[in-house]
Amino acid sequence: GAGVSQSPSNKVTEKGKDVELRCDPISGHTALYWYRQSLGQGLEFLIYFQGNSAPDKSGLPSDRFSAERTGGSVSTLTIQRTQQEDSAVYLCASLLTRGQPQHFGDGTRLSIL
Amino acid sequence: AQSVTQPDIHITVSEGASLELRCNYSYGATPYLFWYVQSPGQGLQLLLKYFSGDTLVQGIKGFEAEFKRSQSSFNLRKPSVHWSDAAEYFCAVANNDYKLSFGAGTTVTVRA
Repeated sequence: GAGVSQSPSNKVTEKGKDVELRCDPISGHTALYWYRQSLGQGLEFLIYFQGNSAPDKSGLPSDRFSAERTGGSVSTLTIQRTQQEDSAVYLCASLLTRGQPQHFGDGTRLSIL
Repeated sequence: AQSVTQPDIHITVSEGASLELRCNYSYGATPYLFWYVQSPGQGLQLLLKYFSGDTLVQGIKGFEAEFKRSQSSFNLRKPSVHWSDAAEYFCAVANNDYKLSFGAGTTVTVRA
């Protein structure tokens, strides 16, 4: 498809487990962003990738969170030792170039039991 | 640091009536401003954006927004609301890296 694709759309896991969330950006988009949407905190920036530059990790809430972007395309957000407060919708967005808006995927709804 | 305030958590409007959603931002430089809409279970859809130029911006679905630097505002308007406009609306400001800071959102309910 032409849009940002995220998988899985829903993920339910037990507290303490690790999870991986995937984002396929729009082809050719050089910038990729992860955001988190939760009831208590609203929409928050997590991490930003731009080309081959070092990612901006300033929004990651703890060292249990990490992300990588392979080949400048697909990105994986990993949460280790999940906690109940990690329950949220994780949104990915990609950007072609400055002056253009970000395009968002439909998100992954993560539920920690 | 940039921030966005959406003072109205919830607005109810009659179908066919006008709608205005308020947004105030805080940012040290010229802001990049956005309005997104989110329907339940969906991602964010861009309604309109302001980067520079004309301060009255036209968007999709009949929405428009006006950038007022003196008031640090970027209010969203629609002259006549349709039932399909019921959704949550987010105002956002971006820094030079286009990292978005969002407001808390305004939920719009449309009554028949």
